[in-house]
Amino acid sequence: ETGVTQTPRHLVMGMTNKKSLKCEQHLGHNAMYWYKQSAKKPLELMFVYNFKEQTENNSVPSRFSPECPNSSHLFLHLHTLQPEDSALYLCASSQGHGREVGETQYFGPGTRLLVL
Amino acid sequence: AQTVTQSQPEMSVQEAETVTLSCTYDTSESDYYLFWYKQPPSRQMILVIRQEAYKQQNATENRFSVNFQKAAKSFSLKISDSQLGDAAMYFCAYRSYTSGTYKYIFGTGTRLKVLA
Repeated sequence: ETGVTQTPRHLVMGMTNKKSLKCEQHLGHNAMYWYKQSAKKPLELMFVYNFKEQTENNSVPSRFSPECPNSSHLFLHLHTLQPEDSALYLCASSQGHGREVGETQYFGPGTRLLVL
Repeated sequence: AQTVTQSQPEMSVQEAETVTLSCTYDTSESDYYLFWYKQPPSRQMILVIRQEAYKQQNATENRFSVNFQKAAKSFSLKISDSQLGDAAMYFCAYRSYTSGTYKYIFGTGTRLKVLA
């Protein structure tokens, strides 16, 4: 389970704080993803990066800002979040170009975020 | 818009018995993939099995198999000879890429308990 790592595993922040989530994949993949997992709601795809280029942004509020400096690292910068943003944030990676719809996604363990 | 519905929030199965988790979806697309993912407690989500819509033959992976009914838009997961390690949240997911739009839709999940 060390293919995709995420730090921190837990984060508590106030609404005025700025924090960043980090994801790293050690699988040589070219596509990376951010998902939001809220209790009793479906997993929501937030962003897709393909060869460091953002290819999908599913109407995510601007208080979430992704960054992909290379194919192995993905960040999610957080600022002025709301309590309803509290959730498990999952990172995933896949081998192809992100548009190979049948390819396997490999997930990280997630960052449990609590916004006070 | 595409939707994925898992109508069973929780299921229980006796160890060594067989259980079937249901999933229905709605789409007007003809080319897509369906997936079942497993998320054990506090552990990473992993792919269990996938099915390409164009393939009539149901996918199987060891003790896991699917019953794919394309016309009925049904995609159930059968777990045979259930083991304690099968206890987890199971998510049904739909993925497609059509006309420059990437869709990856998850259901709300089914929690499977395995009784010793």
